[in-house]
Amino acid sequence: DQQVKQNSPSLSVQEGRISILNCDYTNSMFDYFLWYKKYPAEGPTFLISISSIKDKNEDGRFTVFLNKSAKHLSLHIVPSQPGDSAVYFCAASASSGGSNYKLTFGKGTLLTVNP
Amino acid sequence: DAEITQSPRHKITETGRQVTLACHQTWNHNNMFWYRQDLGHGLRLIHYSYGVQDTNKGEVSDGYSVSRSNTEDLPLTLESAASSQTSVYFCASSYSTDTQYFGPGTRLTVL
Repeated sequence: DQQVKQNSPSLSVQEGRISILNCDYTNSMFDYFLWYKKYPAEGPTFLISISSIKDKNEDGRFTVFLNKSAKHLSLHIVPSQPGDSAVYFCAASASSGGSNYKLTFGKGTLLTVNP
Repeated sequence: DAEITQSPRHKITETGRQVTLACHQTWNHNNMFWYRQDLGHGLRLIHYSYGVQDTNKGEVSDGYSVSRSNTEDLPLTLESAASSQTSVYFCASSYSTDTQYFGPGTRLTVL
């Protein structure tokens, strides 16, 4: 039973355009969401997060949107750069539900930004 | 600088052997986690610890064990390695937040 789903295994965009990565979840107890970026042969690195009390969080070129009613979040990268090419993992936790900092990850989306 | 390290970075072993993967963090984080990453599965939680002497099973804990004797280290042991345990293993740590910080990974091959 996959609680965090990233239905697009891969996404290709042109440099300078917007990249939109999507993530859906099924567990209504999830109240904190994170995006991680992973380059080959490296560990995942934290990118941006959002609490369920918000519907948007921005950090430079990266914005995460949360739609609680649809149990959907998305990561927007504007403008996309070739260095953004990586695998992006969506993760969720149920902090207030007693899961104490455990994260549930999606399977990841490979983003390729073409020059 | 504080960091999280894993060793070895690459390991080849044979079926049936015991293998231990090391994870060491210098952030003084309470929480430590082990994941495996496999194609088509993303990151799956193996074991985790909230502090010294505390260990808990994750979703794919069969065949693995951990021990936490100090704050800095959470070694992962494969009791009797199996080919199904060929994977990339990541250690992560966090303090009193949900944001986890990952090590560089260990690529394990079981022949």
